[in-house]
This record gives sequence, C-alpha cells and structure tokens, in this order.
Amino acid sequence: AQTVTQSQPEMSVQEAETVTLSCTYDTSESDYYLFWYKQPPSRQMILVIRQEAYKQQNATENRFSVNFQKAAKSFSLKISDSQLGDAAMYFCAYSTNAGKSTFGDGTTLTVKP
Amino acid sequence: DTAVSQTPKYLVTQMGNDKSIKCEQNLGHDTMYWYKQDSKKFLKIMFSYNNKELIINETVPNRFSPKSPDKAHLNLHINSLELGDSAVYFCASTNRGGGDEQFFGPGTRLTVL
Repeated sequence: AQTVTQSQPEMSVQEAETVTLSCTYDTSESDYYLFWYKQPPSRQMILVIRQEAYKQQNATENRFSVNFQKAAKSFSLKISDSQLGDAAMYFCAYSTNAGKSTFGDGTTLTVKP
Repeated sequence: DTAVSQTPKYLVTQMGNDKSIKCEQNLGHDTMYWYKQDSKKFLKIMFSYNNKELIINETVPNRFSPKSPDKAHLNLHINSLELGDSAVYFCASTNRGGGDEQFFGPGTRLTVL
C-alpha cells in the first residue's frame, strides 16, 4: 500500500520569504502522480501543483515549485515570496493510474506579516 | 457556477439515525470520490466511482453506502450513525482516473450527537 508522509505538522514563514514543505512517499509502482493541495480556513481544497512521475522536470506554478526526487521518493513544495493568503493547510497527495489517492497528514502553514 | 456541489453543508443528527449527503458535479467528469476528513484534518479516501461503477472501496463500515444514479451524481448514505462518524465529508471529481486534478466540493460537516 502507498503511504505519504509529511513530517512537518506546522511551519511558519515571514511574509515575502521562502518556505519549503516536505513530503515523502512509499510505492512500488513506477508510474504515478503527485499533487500538492491547499486547504485554507474556508475548507475548500484547491490544487496547488501537479507532477507526473515519468517527467524529470520539476513542476512550477508561479511562486510555487516542487523538488521531485524520484529515487528518494521525495516531493517537496517551495513557496517563494510568501503572501498572507498562502496561510493554509497543505496536503501532499499520491495517486495511482487507477485513481486511488493517498493524502499525507497535512502541514499547517502560518504566514507572519 | 459551482463545479462540485454538496448538500447539505452542515448536518447535525442523533446517534442511530440514517442520513444522506448528495454530491453533483457539472464538469462532465467520469470519476467521483468520497473522502472523510476527521477532527485532526486527516483526509482518507472512502469510495471512488467511474461512470457509475464502484472502483475503489476502502475499509469503510458497510453502514456507508454510496450510490451513483448517473455519472454526475454520487450520493453517500449512512445508516445507524455513530459518534465516530462525525467529520467533514468531501466529494470530489476528476476527468481521468489518476493523473488529473481532483475538484473538491465544499464539504459537509456531519455532527453526530
């Protein structure tokens, strides 16, 4: 069974600074997908970024980028120029081709003004 | 126009009752999910349907029964509610099985007294 581990239950960052959220996973499959989702206090889950395991290039979406290390089974999220609106719970997720998703336990990010 | 909608958003009920949560998506997606988010914010997949067919059924008590009348709807019926069923339940949909972003509904907060 796949597992996803987020080792940082809470993180904080100063506004305009950079923060990295960690995620590791365990799988025996070679083809899969990885995601970071954001859940603000409104509780609406929103996709932040997506990575296909067969792509070596790290995904980037504006201020959000990932460091995908397939051999190490690591998928960290870097948020640059942090903004107050980035404050939320962030979930790392793994998905098989068949659509079975496993979520990490989440990291609560606080952004300090 | 809401992409994935759930009703009701809040549900308060007594132990032992039977209740249903409805989910509808207007995105034309083939795959729909139910997730449970407990008080610690841990998110766990419960069920997945693809074109009205059950494809994922995690270890969930059989008091929980999903029903998909068509591919745009996935309802969750819960019999004999227990205190431990109190949680936020999210419906989600995606275009393909595993690789695409999941679009989440706003969640239904279920409180069992």
